[in-house]
Amino acid sequence: ETGVTQSPTHLIKTRGQQVTLRCSSQSGHNTVSWYQQALGQGPQFIFQYYREEENGRGNFPPRFSGLQFPNYSSELNVNALELDDSALYLCASSPREAGGPGELFFGEGSRLTVL
Amino acid sequence: GQNIDQPTEMTATEGAIVQINCTYQTSGFNGLFWYQQHAGEAPTFLSYNVLDGLEEKGRFSSFLSRSKGYSYLLLKELQMKDSASYLCAVREGTGANNLFFGTGTRLTVIP
Repeated sequence: ETGVTQSPTHLIKTRGQQVTLRCSSQSGHNTVSWYQQALGQGPQFIFQYYREEENGRGNFPPRFSGLQFPNYSSELNVNALELDDSALYLCASSPREAGGPGELFFGEGSRLTVL
Repeated sequence: GQNIDQPTEMTATEGAIVQINCTYQTSGFNGLFWYQQHAGEAPTFLSYNVLDGLEEKGRFSSFLSRSKGYSYLLLKELQMKDSASYLCAVREGTGANNLFFGTGTRLTVIP
């Protein structure tokens, strides 16, 4: 157990719809990252939030957006869903501490199926 | 950018030793991580290397050569529960704590 919780765990949407995924970070962790993991692939970096600001973004279109709240929890929003958006969406939190490895602590993920 | 390569699949025998290799090409290297991911579960942190050399953690060790863009994860005394995917990830720069993952190596441990 990493202390990172995500909801919902599973959901099904249709093409063109919008989805919001939620993440509560581990206590004391002020940085949240979102990853997309397609079946049989490694996680792909979507973006990261630090102190409520986007702090790095991967190669994902603008219809992928996010928020971080003052309590460090976060949301991932995806608009105009496409079939290829079907994947496991992982949230990871990490502390910002000097000298530490800064490893990511992952939640169990939200499995999105787009029909 | 990043280019991270690792074998897709490996099979090893219970009690044996297995080495999973990872090569990478990246700018602004700032650390290499290994994660374990069991099917249907979240990745869990195994090891971290930022300087050249070997880091040992019980049955698991990880090695890094920055000049060669090369790392390996060594698993000793394999157990059936070690059957999982092993993900190599590289961090770039000192700003955002972004990890870029390879596709993972699916290890199957057989009796």
